[in-house]
Amino acid sequence: AQSVSQHNHHVILSEAASLELGCNYSYGGTVNLFWYVQYPGQHLQLLLKYFSGDPLVKGIKGFEAEFIKSKFSFNLRKPSVQWSDTAEYFCAVKSGGSYIPTFGRGTSLIVHP
Amino acid sequence: GAGVSQSPSNKVTEKGKDVELRCDPISGHTALYWYRQSLGQGLEFLIYFQGNSAPDKSGLPSDRFSAERTGGSVSTLTIQRTQQEDSAVYLCASSLKSGSANTEAFFGQGTRLTVV
Repeated sequence: AQSVSQHNHHVILSEAASLELGCNYSYGGTVNLFWYVQYPGQHLQLLLKYFSGDPLVKGIKGFEAEFIKSKFSFNLRKPSVQWSDTAEYFCAVKSGGSYIPTFGRGTSLIVHP
Repeated sequence: GAGVSQSPSNKVTEKGKDVELRCDPISGHTALYWYRQSLGQGLEFLIYFQGNSAPDKSGLPSDRFSAERTGGSVSTLTIQRTQQEDSAVYLCASSLKSGSANTEAFFGQGTRLTVV
């Protein structure tokens, strides 16, 4: 079965710091990859997605992620975080023709002003 | 509506009682998912509906859990004889047909279930 690992469970940064959140998955075939964000008190919403093509994906609010097939990774990055980026971030993977996204445990990001 | 709607937003129930959670997906979305989010845990898949096909129930944790989707739209998740370990946020999501390229899931606000 597919598994998704997010190794950073809690991250605390100051504003303007750079961010990288790790995401690794176990399936070696064709994958669809997603990052979702959940702001405090709000529903999960899509940050960015990868289906095919350019492995460097740009998302909303200055986020980007890079699909590295050889490393089974899809890390999320942002060069300069803001206080408003404080949220829970989830990586998700659909693989091998499965219709069901598998989610990681999530990373809680706190950005201090 | 514009988004996925779930009701109630909060539910407190006594151990042993049955509860029903409702999900109204985005109009035109044929795929519907239920997930459970426990404190400090990721999203645990429960059940998936696609159109009129038989649902994928592989994530349901016990036979106390069931779900139905009437008319290919609204879905109800039922938990019978609730236990304290059922306390969690239950999330519903919908998407366009999963076989197409643009298949990200859109989530509702969730129902926070507390079993006392």
